[in-house]
Amino acid sequence: AQSVTQLGSHVSVSEGALVLLRCNYSSSVPPYLFWYVQYPNQGLQLLLKYTSAATLVKGINGFEAEFKKSETSFHLTKPSAHMSDAAEYFCAVSSNYGGATNKLIFGTGTLLAVQP
Amino acid sequence: SQTIHQWPATLVQPVGSPLSLECTVEGTSNPNLYWYRQAAGRGLQLLFYSVGIGQISSEVPQNLSASRPQDRQFILSSKKLLLSDSGFYLCAGQGNLAGELFFGEGSRLTVL
Repeated sequence: AQSVTQLGSHVSVSEGALVLLRCNYSSSVPPYLFWYVQYPNQGLQLLLKYTSAATLVKGINGFEAEFKKSETSFHLTKPSAHMSDAAEYFCAVSSNYGGATNKLIFGTGTLLAVQP
Repeated sequence: SQTIHQWPATLVQPVGSPLSLECTVEGTSNPNLYWYRQAAGRGLQLLFYSVGIGQISSEVPQNLSASRPQDRQFILSSKKLLLSDSGFYLCAGQGNLAGELFFGEGSRLTVL
């Protein structure tokens, strides 16, 4: 079975500081990995995805993530936090690779607070 | 672009009453469709998914059911709501097997 662990349910950074949100995955087959952002009372929006191409993936809003197979990690980073980055972030891994459906399994989320 | 429309946005229902949440998809045909429930601090729990009309797979035993009467329509139902059914429900679509999910805006259900 596939799973995702997000370390740190709450992360607080100062505006302009580095953002680092951690995600480790478990998968018996090559995974697809995703990061989503959710603002209060809204649906999830895709930030970026890894689908076995380049290991460093760039996404929207200045975010990027690096796939490290040896560490089974897919951490999300942004060099300089902005107040508008305050939201909840979810890491996800896909399952049933090659099957009729690729269900996404989500982590429990990390709530990012940005202090002025 | 692919879009999910989901309604109602908010719903307050008494225990024992029925439920119907609906979502429709635009911008893609024959998508895989999913219902997730989100509880605070617990991430997203996959409830149902569908790979085609009339094809429903349930991920967890519960008080809810799902139906897909048309290619781009996905419905979440209950005959009798429980307090534990309260939560934020998200409908999602997937246009291709290697692709990400695109989400609706969610429906917040409060059962009193």
